[in-house]
Amino acid sequence: NAGVTQTPKFRVLKTGQSMTLLCAQDMNHEYMYWYRQDPGMGLRLIHYSVGEGTTAKGEVPDGYNVSRLKKQNFLLGLESAAPSQTSVYFCASSYSADSNQPQHFGDGTRLSIL
Amino acid sequence: GQSLEQPSEVTAVEGAIVQINCTYQTSGFYGLSWYQQHDGGAPTFLSYNALDGLEETGRFSSFLSRSDSYGYLLLQELQMKDSASYFCAANSGYSTLTFGKGTMLLVSP
Repeated sequence: NAGVTQTPKFRVLKTGQSMTLLCAQDMNHEYMYWYRQDPGMGLRLIHYSVGEGTTAKGEVPDGYNVSRLKKQNFLLGLESAAPSQTSVYFCASSYSADSNQPQHFGDGTRLSIL
Repeated sequence: GQSLEQPSEVTAVEGAIVQINCTYQTSGFYGLSWYQQHDGGAPTFLSYNALDGLEETGRFSSFLSRSDSYGYLLLQELQMKDSASYFCAANSGYSTLTFGKGTMLLVSP
């Protein structure tokens, strides 16, 4: 039972480089989310998806793009990385929009932008 | 928007009881969730309150008062393994969560 798997686990980028973070879930969940976690800031929602082919902006979407071409995958892209995007990125999924459905998180991707 | 306030750090000893408070200001509120995070790892779901009152799950209980925009997580019979960060989170539309900044719980022998 893999749950939510994030790839890669660690990455160092130079300012201006691009990269894509991959999130995969094997629980047949409809909803998927991308968060960033900075020291003392808690988790902040970047983008989310309510189903295959859909995406929506969260609290801090600027500088990021996402795609949900397959139900099980949710990709987070940084087109031109900036030092302010140094963070730990967590992906999560949930079964439905019912508020009592918990979100299941991956182990995170630790990203440093130099 | 939504904002949640919780203490940054709480300390307690093994076997004790500790309460982590959370106050919130929201526009569109469905309920309050609690998550645990060990050493920066994957946050894990602990409990959810949609209605006023107490929800109990083993050693952990969670309380919500909608009229006071207030909730808390109660941890009983503390163990060393309970040392972690605890986040309250407000549920809004499409099951999205707005998290507080987290409370670091340090349990000492």
